[in-house]
Amino acid sequence: SQQGEEDPQALSIQEGENATMNCSYKTSINNLQWYRQNSGRGLVHLILIRSNEREKHSGRLRVTLDTSKKSSSLLITASRAADTASYFCATGFNKFYFGSGTKLNVKP
Amino acid sequence: GAVVSQHPSWVICKSGTSVKIECRSLDFQATTMFWYRQFPKQSLMLMATSNEGSKATYEQGVEKDKFLINHASLTLSTLTVTSAHPEDSSFYICSARAYTGSGELFFGEGSRLTVL
Repeated sequence: SQQGEEDPQALSIQEGENATMNCSYKTSINNLQWYRQNSGRGLVHLILIRSNEREKHSGRLRVTLDTSKKSSSLLITASRAADTASYFCATGFNKFYFGSGTKLNVKP
Repeated sequence: GAVVSQHPSWVICKSGTSVKIECRSLDFQATTMFWYRQFPKQSLMLMATSNEGSKATYEQGVEKDKFLINHASLTLSTLTVTSAHPEDSSFYICSARAYTGSGELFFGEGSRLTVL
């Protein structure tokens, strides 16, 4: 990818389990954003965390940011089949680059 | 939330023709719009950044004469794929950043281009 890597590339879990995805980036940032993409569709913004924040919550989502390691994680708790999608992190200042993405499959 | 409309959602064209894709911010003013390209099962690759009233800034390796970007107003940016060839077939997605706000990006639904 242009900016960094995410792992795992693919994740398959049962409904109700938690899903954790990680994102690493290469350059300095002022914020990091997580997006979700359903197959063949545009992206939907999930959450933004600023460089001076370490953790942020939104509903079932929990994002952490470690600027010293240039990494972030997205945790989805109590996953649902409808959470099945690809998840991307994006970083940048005046333009935004996306990580390689994690394809999440939540089995009912 | 803010809405970005992208049109057409899919287009099929013959090799050698040009195709224009529009990206509109419907309920906010977008000073900056971004154009991405996505290959199957891959991430989004930033092609160019366009600011209203100025020339687009292209990423390394993206041919500016091939992919013409115009950002004539605060609500409209267009991407024209000139003299399209089969290798230009891809999913093109635009995004817009609001003039005010937190800096999050709002995405169109994407345009799938197939060049025969």
